[in-house]
Amino acid sequence: GENVEQHPSTLSVQEGDSAVIKCTYSDSASNYFPWYKQELGKGPQLIIDIRSNVGEKKDQRIAVTLNKTAKHFSLHITETQPEDSAVYFCAASWDSGGGADGLTFGKGTHLIIQP
Amino acid sequence: GAVVSQHPSWVICKSGTSVKIECRSLDFQATTMFWYRQFPKQSLMLMATSNEGSKATYEQGVEKDKFLINHASLTLSTLTVTSAHPEDSSFYICSASRPWVGSGDTQYFGPGTRLTVL
Repeated sequence: GENVEQHPSTLSVQEGDSAVIKCTYSDSASNYFPWYKQELGKGPQLIIDIRSNVGEKKDQRIAVTLNKTAKHFSLHITETQPEDSAVYFCAASWDSGGGADGLTFGKGTHLIIQP
Repeated sequence: GAVVSQHPSWVICKSGTSVKIECRSLDFQATTMFWYRQFPKQSLMLMATSNEGSKATYEQGVEKDKFLINHASLTLSTLTVTSAHPEDSSFYICSASRPWVGSGDTQYFGPGTRLTVL
């Protein structure tokens, strides 16, 4: 089955700086890669996702890049703010077009924004 | 929007009792619903995949007789933890898969249910 590795486990950055979180996946059949933000005691919130037919996607301060050949994808957050502090999870799955499989998650990155 | 609700948000029960958790997609019909489990400071682990009107598919190592899943409609799935024991204490989170035309399915998560078994 799929295996997703995520690094780093903890990331501390100064407010206003950029943060980068990296993930690798093992199953070349995976074609859907979402990123979720989880605050303590809450469910994961989708922040951005990318499908294998594109290499990069951006939404305001958040961007995701995908390298299918190397089987890795990254989350980039620019101009970090205190409210960005949370645990971020990457995930991978296969979407046939007629329905998606369950997600395989990375272990998570605790992002700390220092004021 | 894509809102998923769960009820209850937290529950405490005695060992040996059963607990039912509801998952609803409020503003869309879900092609599929999923149930995940998350232990403290750990990642989410997929337990089962649920489609309306059919039997759930369980991941390896998940006891189907212990974690009963019923998917009554395109907006409601329930997870019943039967004969709960302290080791079943965890954060249970459901997700609902929303199809987007020309794109694909996107999973939206509920707020989770904290189960504590005494």
